[in-house]
Amino acid sequence: KNQVEQSPQSLIILEGKNCTLQCNYTVSPFSNLRWYKQDTGRGPVSLTIMTFSENTKSNGRYTATLDADTKQSSLHITASQLSDSASYICVVSAGKTSYDKVIFGPGTSLSVIP
Amino acid sequence: GAVVSQHPSRVICKSGTSVKIECRSLDFQATTMFWYRQFPKQSLMLMATSNEGSKATYEQGVEKDKFLINHASLTLSTLTVTSAHPEDSSFYICSARPRGHTDTQYFGPGTRLTVL
Repeated sequence: KNQVEQSPQSLIILEGKNCTLQCNYTVSPFSNLRWYKQDTGRGPVSLTIMTFSENTKSNGRYTATLDADTKQSSLHITASQLSDSASYICVVSAGKTSYDKVIFGPGTSLSVIP
Repeated sequence: GAVVSQHPSRVICKSGTSVKIECRSLDFQATTMFWYRQFPKQSLMLMATSNEGSKATYEQGVEKDKFLINHASLTLSTLTVTSAHPEDSSFYICSARPRGHTDTQYFGPGTRLTVL
């Protein structure tokens, strides 16, 4: 069964600190993995996309890693800001083409406090 | 670029009425649009996939007669919630896949539906 799990479910950190969010998936055949940021009451916005051959990708203070062997990904946020408070969703595309299934993780709710 | 809009952003209606939500790709043509529903503290659940000019494909458990989807053009898809009930209250989000892109979808800002 294609499935995406995320941990932790929620996280509270102090402004300026770093944090790492985890994503484990059991998806086959793997096509790509995306991390989205969803502000409350808004639609998701893509942060990174990674294919099978990519190990790491950065987008400003966001760095995503992918281990295709262990089927794990992480999203590292450095020097957190209050505006980083949001839900972070790991999304894995399954299929030989990306027209196939897109599986959403449950999300990690991040709260950055002053 | 790659902006997707939804209208309205928020709607409150009485039980039994129908509500139409529009999803527009503002600066690109979308051959495929997706409709999602999101309940509080849960992730997005795909409701249906619509391709321009053809009938929508609904996910298992989603009533096609209740959630009418029309993808009349390459820039517009509509979701009509017919005979809405309080349990239909949710956050509805659309996304659009640009023509020629197989692995990209841009999300709209969402529509908050409250059925009294």
